[in-house]
Formats: sequence, structure tokens, C-alpha cells
Amino acid sequence: DQQVKQNSPSLSVQEGRISILNCDYTNSMFDYFLWYKKYPAEGPTFLISISSIKDKNEDGRFTVFLNKSAKHLSLHIVPSQPGDSAVYFCAARRSYGGATNKLIFGTGTLLAVQP
Amino acid sequence: DARVTQTPRDKVTEMGQEVTMRCQPILGHNTVFWYRQTMMQGLELLAYFRNRAPLDDSGMPKDRFSAEMPDATLATLKIQPSEPRDSAVYFCASGLGAGGGYYGYTFGSGTRLTVV
Repeated sequence: DQQVKQNSPSLSVQEGRISILNCDYTNSMFDYFLWYKKYPAEGPTFLISISSIKDKNEDGRFTVFLNKSAKHLSLHIVPSQPGDSAVYFCAARRSYGGATNKLIFGTGTLLAVQP
Repeated sequence: DARVTQTPRDKVTEMGQEVTMRCQPILGHNTVFWYRQTMMQGLELLAYFRNRAPLDDSGMPKDRFSAEMPDATLATLKIQPSEPRDSAVYFCASGLGAGGGYYGYTFGSGTRLTVV
């Protein structure tokens, strides 16, 4: 049962354009969402997060949007740069509740930014 | 720069052999996770510990996998006997508190396991 879904395995974008990565979740108890970025042969690294009390969080070129009614979030990268080429993982958790507050990850989206 | 250290970096073993992967979490972090990365499942949670106590290992095949934290500076994931379907990259992650805070958790570089 995949509670966090990233339906696009890959995305190719031209340098300077916008990259939009999408993520859907099924568990309405999730209240905190994170995006991680992963380069080959490295572990995932934190990129940006958003609490369910917000609908947008921005950090430089990266913006995450949350639509709770649709159980959907997206990561926007503007402008995209070749160094952004990596696998992006969406993750979700419950912030409270003891043992249930583990991070659940999606399957990842491979972003390729073409020079 | 604090980091999570995983050893070995790569491991090739024959089917049926025992495999042990090690993780040194960031000093002071009280929550440790083991994840496995596969093409089909993405990052799949295997087990996690808080204050060295196992809290959830429901993602682990119990008959062959075991996870322990002998002390606060070492977490181990053992597979015995190993099978070709166990081939994957295994990540350890550590963090503070119940949810890991704003940044979630810090991941190690992973152990790439190949079982032939």
C-alpha cells in the first residue's frame, strides 16, 4: 500500500525553465511533508518542507505547494539549473502519535535539466 | 559537518551468506532509521529505533532480517541468509525527537548490497 505516490518516474526540463514535481498521498493523518534530493552514490538530503497548516513554503528557487483537499503537493524549481539534476523524493509523516510518526517516502522522480 | 557514517560502502556476497551493515548515527541523535531503496518501492522503511529501543520493524522480513542498536553510536542491520532479492541500497538515517523536526532526518551514503 503506497501511501505516498510520485507518478512520474522522470522529468526532463530545459535550463532556465520551471521544473514541477508532483506527489500525492492517501493518508489524511499526515501533517508534515518534506522533499529530499538524491544524487547518485549519495544519501538523500533534505531540501524543503511544509506543515499542513500552510499551503506554500518558499526557499530561494524552491517552492512547495500543498493542497490538502486534493491530498497533493508539488515542488517548483525556478529557474532550473543543470546542478538540480537528481532524484527527488517526496516524504510525509504524522508529527505526533508515537511510533506512527515515521517518514514515508514516495518512489522518486528523476529530474534531468538539459543545458 | 556532522554526518551519518555507513559501512561497508559496497558489499557483494553469495546467496546464503550472512551480511552485516553498520551505521554510526550523528552524535546526540536519538532516532535511527533503516531504509532500503529499490526501483519499485522507492525508499522503503525497514525498522526504526528511538533511544536505542526498537519501535517499528514491520517493514522487515522477520525470518531473515534483524536490526539492533548495541549502543548509542552503533546500529546494525543483519541479513541471514541473504538472497538475490535483497540486492538494493540500504540507508541509515538519524535525527532528533519524534518527528525529526523541520529537517526530517540525516541520511548516510548507503551500503550497496549485491547478492549473487
